[in-house]
Amino acid sequence: AQKITQTQPGMFVQEKEAVTLDCTYDTSDQSYGLFWYKQPSSGEMIFLIYQGSYDEQNATEGRYSLNFQKARKSANLVISASQLGDSAMYFCAMREVTQGGSEKLVFGKGTKLTVNP
Amino acid sequence: NAGVTQTPKFQVLKTGQSMTLQCAQDMNHEYMSWYRQDPGMGLRLIHYSVGAGITDQGEVPNGYNVSRSTTEDFPLRLLSAAPSQTSVYFCASSYSRRVGDTQYFGPGTRLTVL
Repeated sequence: AQKITQTQPGMFVQEKEAVTLDCTYDTSDQSYGLFWYKQPSSGEMIFLIYQGSYDEQNATEGRYSLNFQKARKSANLVISASQLGDSAMYFCAMREVTQGGSEKLVFGKGTKLTVNP
Repeated sequence: NAGVTQTPKFQVLKTGQSMTLQCAQDMNHEYMSWYRQDPGMGLRLIHYSVGAGITDQGEVPNGYNVSRSTTEDFPLRLLSAAPSQTSVYFCASSYSRRVGDTQYFGPGTRLTVL
């Protein structure tokens, strides 16, 4: 079963507008971490924001915020005031440690965001 | 502080050749890992290490070997390259394996196997 689902292969937004990128996850663990990464066309993976499963407040980092709805198992990324430089692939990922002690960072398939001038 | 570095940036191999992708970090991170990224597949975990001398398999380990003799270095070895191993390879590190620790990625190695 897919652990991380990003249902939007591509999204378009006008410059200066806000955009929400969807992410739902599946886990039976109580303790897990959710991450968003940005991958521009140059290829590097850039960490954007983190939300812990026990965090009561939604995470924010500058123009990025994470809309965390634990009961719905969703962790949507909100980018406010989009800029042309925000055009990139965005990946949602979940980090969990299994009972056996193995480590997993599981990625979704990504959403390609295009910001139009 | 260079972060996570990877060499080479690009590599072309012939089927059956072997090679080592290098990864190093200067942040004194205990946890290091290797991922491959294929179109439409996201990133998949190949191998990881929770400290010097300790490695374990991830989701797609076949055809790859790793070792961790120092905290800083975590090389990935392709034993006998196959076209199915054509991919972009990322090395990543984090302070520990705790779920809240952010993994920081290297710039990637683009590998083509002919």
